[in-house]
Amino acid sequence: EIVLTQSPATLSLSPGERATLSCRASQSVSSYLAWYQQKPGQAPRLLIFDASNRATGIPVRFRGSGSGTDFTLTISSLEPEDFAVYYCQQRSNWPPTISFGQGTRLEIK
Amino acid sequence: QEQLVESGGGVVQPGRSLRLSCVASGFTFSSYGMHWVRQAPGKGLEWVAFIRFDGNNTYYADSVKGRFTISRDISKNTLYLQMNSLRTEDTAVYYCVKLYCSSTSCYEAWFDPWGQGTLVTVSS
Repeated sequence: EIVLTQSPATLSLSPGERATLSCRASQSVSSYLAWYQQKPGQAPRLLIFDASNRATGIPVRFRGSGSGTDFTLTISSLEPEDFAVYYCQQRSNWPPTISFGQGTRLEIK
Repeated sequence: QEQLVESGGGVVQPGRSLRLSCVASGFTFSSYGMHWVRQAPGKGLEWVAFIRFDGNNTYYADSVKGRFTISRDISKNTLYLQMNSLRTEDTAVYYCVKLYCSSTSCYEAWFDPWGQGTLVTVSS
């Protein structure tokens, strides 16, 4: 089973600052990694797929990078609506296995 | 606009059964694979099950294999999750999710859009 470890657990930043979130896989997942955003009381939404491709309608300030075991989600300049929980997810062995990271909470400083 | 609406959640005793439903609209339901993903209260996301567009292939997480069954009714644009032998650790919000399609391709194991979720509580 591939384990995804996200860091930090919590990130405290101010609007306008740059956010860097990390996701590390226990073994290579190639580029089969996605990022999701979840706001309180809402369902998640897909931000990035295949490590670096923005999903439909996602602002350009969201950028995904990495391959193999180390991945990064960068938000270039935080907007008030970006404060949420972010999850990474891998599909390297699909089917039938899929796994998520434990999440990074991005909070307002 | 693609929309998914789940129902069927509630409180159930350990060992009992429950069936969740998800009505799809805004897209051709019969053409796309569908997933169930769950989230325990205050916890992260866990993939549960997937069914291909034609219903001929299904996949399950090890934690639910042999207890849960995913199915679909094309005539009703509805996805189901039959949950048997429920355990306290099955307590979660269950999301119905469509596989993601970009402008050029569809991807079985990326998830979007998501329904609003339905809460299942397994407790005596």
